[in-house]
Amino acid sequence: EDQVTQSPEALRLQEGESSSLNCSYTVSGLRGLFWYRQDPGKGPEFLFTLYSAGEEKEKERLKATLTKKESFLHITAPKPEDSATYLCAVRGWGTDKLIFGTGTRLQVFP
Amino acid sequence: DSGVTQTPKHLITATGQRVTLRCSPRSGDLSVYWYQQSLDQGLQFLIQYYNGEERAKGNILERFSAQQFPDLHSELNLSSLELGDSALYFCASSVGRDGYTFGSGTRLTVV
Repeated sequence: EDQVTQSPEALRLQEGESSSLNCSYTVSGLRGLFWYRQDPGKGPEFLFTLYSAGEEKEKERLKATLTKKESFLHITAPKPEDSATYLCAVRGWGTDKLIFGTGTRLQVFP
Repeated sequence: DSGVTQTPKHLITATGQRVTLRCSPRSGDLSVYWYQQSLDQGLQFLIQYYNGEERAKGNILERFSAQQFPDLHSELNLSSLELGDSALYFCASSVGRDGYTFGSGTRLTVV
């Protein structure tokens, strides 16, 4: 069964303090690993899709990387506006649906 | 605005009642996905429609049903509502292998 585990559950950072969020997955043939940002009471906002081990993508202060077993979302010099829940999801062979982890709730303090 | 439109934004109803949630996908997207998000379980896949046909089913209760119409909008029907059905319900749409776009959700409160 496809499964996604995210850690830590919650992370508190000082503004400018870089860190990484982890997403471990088991899937029967990876057809994509997705990162989303979700603000309270709102819909998930698409950030990145990664397809193969070794792939990296960047957007502003965020960088996503992928290995055969896990993905990391690196946050460099975060700002308070980066505070949100970050969700990881995978899509396996033979399906279009996404399986989500429970997310990492990030709080960045000034 | 993500391009995926969900109505209503909020819904408060009593136990035992039936409600209908509506979703209009992004222009050109043929697939619609419904997800339920509760505090303790994260985003759970309910059902997928592709161009009017059911394509995949998740852990959707028998009290829940959905359909996708010829204009590609979709409706999720929830009946015999229970307190535990209170959650955020999201619709997402996609075309191709990238970019699942989510709507802003419907917050359902069952009292």
